[in-house]
Amino acid sequence: EDQVTQSPEALRLQEGESSSLNCSYTVSGLRGLFWYRQDPGKGPEFLFTLYSAGEEKEKERLKATLTKKESFLHITAPKPEDSATYLCAVPGTYKYIFGTGTRLKVLA
Amino acid sequence: EPEVTQTPSHQVTQMGQEVILRCVPISNHLYFYWYRQILGQKVEFLVSFYNNEISEKSEIFDDQFSVERPDGSNFTLKIRSTKLEDSAMYFCASSELGQGNSPLHFGNGTRLTVT
Repeated sequence: EDQVTQSPEALRLQEGESSSLNCSYTVSGLRGLFWYRQDPGKGPEFLFTLYSAGEEKEKERLKATLTKKESFLHITAPKPEDSATYLCAVPGTYKYIFGTGTRLKVLA
Repeated sequence: EPEVTQTPSHQVTQMGQEVILRCVPISNHLYFYWYRQILGQKVEFLVSFYNNEISEKSEIFDDQFSVERPDGSNFTLKIRSTKLEDSAMYFCASSELGQGNSPLHFGNGTRLTVT
């Protein structure tokens, strides 16, 4: 069965302290990996799609990378407004399977 | 930017009552989904819908649940007889393409509270 695991569950960073979030997956035939940001009480907001190992995508302080077994979301010099839960998801045939997310808190 | 809209934002209902959650997906999207998220837990798949048919449903989506696309714009989730454990955020999502070829776009959810 397809599975998605994210680590750590929670992460506290000081403003400016860079770090990485991990998303590992076991799927038969990866058809893409998606990163989302979710703020409290809101729906997940799409960030990136990665389709092949070695691919990278960047948006402001965020960079997503993909290998054959996992993806990383690197956060460079984070700011308090980057505080959110970050979710990754992989597509099955007729659904998208989400990980449990990493709750990121950036302290000023 | 086009967005998925959901109504109501919050619904309180008594156990055993029927509720209908409404969604307007992005207009050129063809694939529709319902997910739910119990407070503090993961985003769980309920059902996917394409071409006026259910494509896949999870174990959560039992006979108490149904989905409908009554017209060209709305997509609804009905829970016939709500239970306390149905209390959760319900998210509607849509995608332009299927099978992972485009991302899901989510609405901001309906918070369902069953008392």
